[in-house]
Amino acid sequence: GAGVSQSPRYKVAKRGQDVALRCDPISGHVSLFWYQQALGQGPEFLTYFQNEAQLDKSGLPSDRFFAERPEGSVSTLKIQRTQQEDSAVYLCASSLGTSGRDADTQYFGPGTRLTVL
Amino acid sequence: AQKVTQAQTEISVVEKEDVTLDCVYETRDTTYYLFWYKQPPSGELVFLIRRNSFDEQNEISGRYSWNFQKSTSSFNFTITASQVVDSAVYFCALFYYGNNRLAFGKGNQVVVIP
Repeated sequence: GAGVSQSPRYKVAKRGQDVALRCDPISGHVSLFWYQQALGQGPEFLTYFQNEAQLDKSGLPSDRFFAERPEGSVSTLKIQRTQQEDSAVYLCASSLGTSGRDADTQYFGPGTRLTVL
Repeated sequence: AQKVTQAQTEISVVEKEDVTLDCVYETRDTTYYLFWYKQPPSGELVFLIRRNSFDEQNEISGRYSWNFQKSTSSFNFTITASQVVDSAVYFCALFYYGNNRLAFGKGNQVVVIP
């Protein structure tokens, strides 16, 4: 089946603009995660959904960051009034999230590279 | 707090050599999961292997093998007979319930020279 997809793959924004990044998880995956990856670093957790419920948003760096998953499938990460320090790759991952040996293995999308000028 | 340390940053090997990546982790949980992911230049993180904390048996999958030592909190990964397509950044990651997130190391850049 299809893997995790993300769009757009690349986004250039002027400082102060709002952006919206989309994630389409693997069909049937209950859990969805967003990570931020700065250049040369490992991904850092942003937020976690189980179905439509956002269970953990402790990694969001500021209140300019907002994520939603209204119907429990597609998710959108929105960044308001973008700043240069928001430039990074934003990765989305999904997992089955149910019981079972490999239920918690996270599968990642290709990411969205955001550049804020 | 959970922490994953990958000491080496860049490793260069000649094709067909073996390459071993070191990973040391910290966690107070007794049940956790360890992963290795590969990130080629295209940017997508590709799942390679998973090891559960309660299963210390080391395994081999194709050209990949791993050595999980709970006593030293290490989870090392070896690519046997490296190929140019193995050139990528490799991340070690830790997951446990209650946190519901992967904690990643900084990654190892592997360059395989033909």
